[in-house]
Amino acid sequence: QSALTQPRSVSGSPGQSVTISCTGTSSDVGGYNYVSWYQQYPGKAPKLLIHDVSKWPSGVPNRFSGSKSGNTASLTISGLQAEDEADYYCCSYAGIDTYWVFGGGTKLTVL
Amino acid sequence: QITLKESGPTLVTPTQTLTLTCTFSGFSLTTSGVGVGWIRQPPGKALEWLALIYWDDDKRYSPSLKSRLTITKDTSKNQVVLTMTTMDPVDTATYYCVHRPTSGSYIAYWGQGTLVTVSS
Repeated sequence: QSALTQPRSVSGSPGQSVTISCTGTSSDVGGYNYVSWYQQYPGKAPKLLIHDVSKWPSGVPNRFSGSKSGNTASLTISGLQAEDEADYYCCSYAGIDTYWVFGGGTKLTVL
Repeated sequence: QITLKESGPTLVTPTQTLTLTCTFSGFSLTTSGVGVGWIRQPPGKALEWLALIYWDDDKRYSPSLKSRLTITKDTSKNQVVLTMTTMDPVDTATYYCVHRPTSGSYIAYWGQGTLVTVSS
């Protein structure tokens, strides 16, 4: 059982927007502005999409955006493209001892 | 360009100790704030953080695995080593070496991963 809760799957049609939620507690998501999101294709290593809740690393299109409200963080993908079909994981800093906790992952299907 | 690459055995016998080496380039583990860590992913399952070592040799371990893990660094070789004792079939996973940047708390770069199977 992962520390952070994500929906197992979401889907959307090309051009639409989808939002993936990531629910934690006040000890992780709610306590720090250190939520990050990763995209993973089958058989590949994850890739950073969003860090510090809503910041983009260079090279990531701004179709991907992050936000947080209370103990829940969200990743929104706008203008869905076929290449966005992948698994998405959230991660939060959880203090000096627990450090990083992950969500269980969400499979995005582009219809 | 930052790269990380994991190396080590692909097959481990139950009860054995696993030793994985991460060899990196494009950054220095003597730079203030930088960290190198390990994350694993069992087949078809979610990511799990294991350990992290900072530039100043401060170390952090997953509370659930702390008794089994040791992380060390060799800055002269640009390497970080993870050892995990008493391996069990449930430890079968792809193990990733990762880079934590100087500020923030996230994984900026990932190695390609190495699949370790625990089986007799």
